[in-house]
Amino acid sequence: DAGVTQSPTHLIKTRGQQVTLRCSPKSGHDTVSWYQQALGQGPQFIFQYYEEEERQRGNFPDRFSGHQFPNYSSELNVNALLLGDSALYLCASSLIGRGGSGANVLTFGAGSRLTVL
Amino acid sequence: QQQVKQSPQSLIVQKGGISIINCAYENTAFDYFPWYQQFPGKGPALLIAIRPDVSEKKEGRFTISFNKSAKQFSLHIMDSQPGDSATYFCAASKSGSARQLTFGSGTQLTVLP
Repeated sequence: DAGVTQSPTHLIKTRGQQVTLRCSPKSGHDTVSWYQQALGQGPQFIFQYYEEEERQRGNFPDRFSGHQFPNYSSELNVNALLLGDSALYLCASSLIGRGGSGANVLTFGAGSRLTVL
Repeated sequence: QQQVKQSPQSLIVQKGGISIINCAYENTAFDYFPWYQQFPGKGPALLIAIRPDVSEKKEGRFTISFNKSAKQFSLHIMDSQPGDSATYFCAASKSGSARQLTFGSGTQLTVLP
């Protein structure tokens, strides 16, 4: 059973460029959340997608946008890259509507490491 | 605003010892408190979680202690093993925002053989 897969694994961009990161959720999951993890820090919530709509959003500027496709996969787009956007971007999937303790269980991918020069 | 404060930043324990990591939260609306384990090059993986209606939860060598009045919770790893060497994150979320976790800053645990 494949877990959460993310691509690319690593990428390097320059300031001002745009980047797209991709995520395939764990089989059977329908919700995708994106987190930004700066070096030496805990992950920070960017946004969550369910039924192809952004449902919740953290404290990130509009330069960060996303999309969810009918097959539940998702993309994270970041425009006008800044040096401070350098981080590990984590995708996490879950199954919404699952009762009990399972409702809160996020399965994380290994992340996409973005370096902005 | 850092809503979940985690300490210590790093911890070194001898094999067989007890590892203790502490977290404190500010938002009283939080009602779900998981701990995640992250190995280098991997994403965080859920280790154990607790809700505020219980004061302790144990799974194998891992125990969460929860103090609602103090707004604190901690992870205890009994009989620590070198394979437990990883970064540990506490987190919290509230009802209706179960997938919007607020993470602590992490504790890098090293268990010496």
